[in-house]
Amino acid sequence: EAQVTQNPRYLITVTGKKLTVTCSQNMNHEYMSWYRQDPGLGLRQIYYSMNVEVTDKGDVPEGYKVSRKEKRNFPLILESPSPNQTSLYFCASSFAGGGMNTEAFFGQGTRLTVV
Amino acid sequence: KNQVEQSPQSLIILEGKNCTLQCNYTVSPFSNLRWYKQDTGRGPVSLTIMTFSENTKSNGRYTATLDADTKQSSLHITASQLSDSASYICVVSAYGNNNDMRFGAGTRLTVKP
Repeated sequence: EAQVTQNPRYLITVTGKKLTVTCSQNMNHEYMSWYRQDPGLGLRQIYYSMNVEVTDKGDVPEGYKVSRKEKRNFPLILESPSPNQTSLYFCASSFAGGGMNTEAFFGQGTRLTVV
Repeated sequence: KNQVEQSPQSLIILEGKNCTLQCNYTVSPFSNLRWYKQDTGRGPVSLTIMTFSENTKSNGRYTATLDADTKQSSLHITASQLSDSASYICVVSAYGNNNDMRFGAGTRLTVKP
């Protein structure tokens, strides 16, 4: 089954304690991205990756890091989480560029609370 | 300013009724517009995708329309069911960068028995 898998689904942590949210896709997609979703706002892009070893900042990258060492994995790293990073996070993947119908598949989400 | 605006923010309807959700966008140059359904606590799932040359597309009881001249889209839900309760998100991509999606804040639909 084609899917994007995020882990963990729920996480409560304390300010300053480094954490990693994993994302894996099994569709051989080149493009992967991370979003955060906050009440009243649309999904906002944090970071994206066009392919292995190619990453770039999205709209709200501050306080986050990513890596893309393998095509299927795109972890999101919070080196020193702060309460304003409490949010619902989604990973998504799709084929890169060309063609009008580049379908994006989303993970199930990670609910992060930083206290 | 968000480039994709949706209305209403929330909507409550009775089971079996129809409803229409609106999306206005300023993303330019326009490439495609998608509607996603997002159940509470879950990831968005695609309903429809339309390019500038398409002005209507259906997926079961969901029908999306697009007016690229006025930069407006609507999602019409026919004969609503309880399972239609969800957030509906309008997403627009610019030409030449189909992977860069601009998200609306969504319309929260509640269908009551």
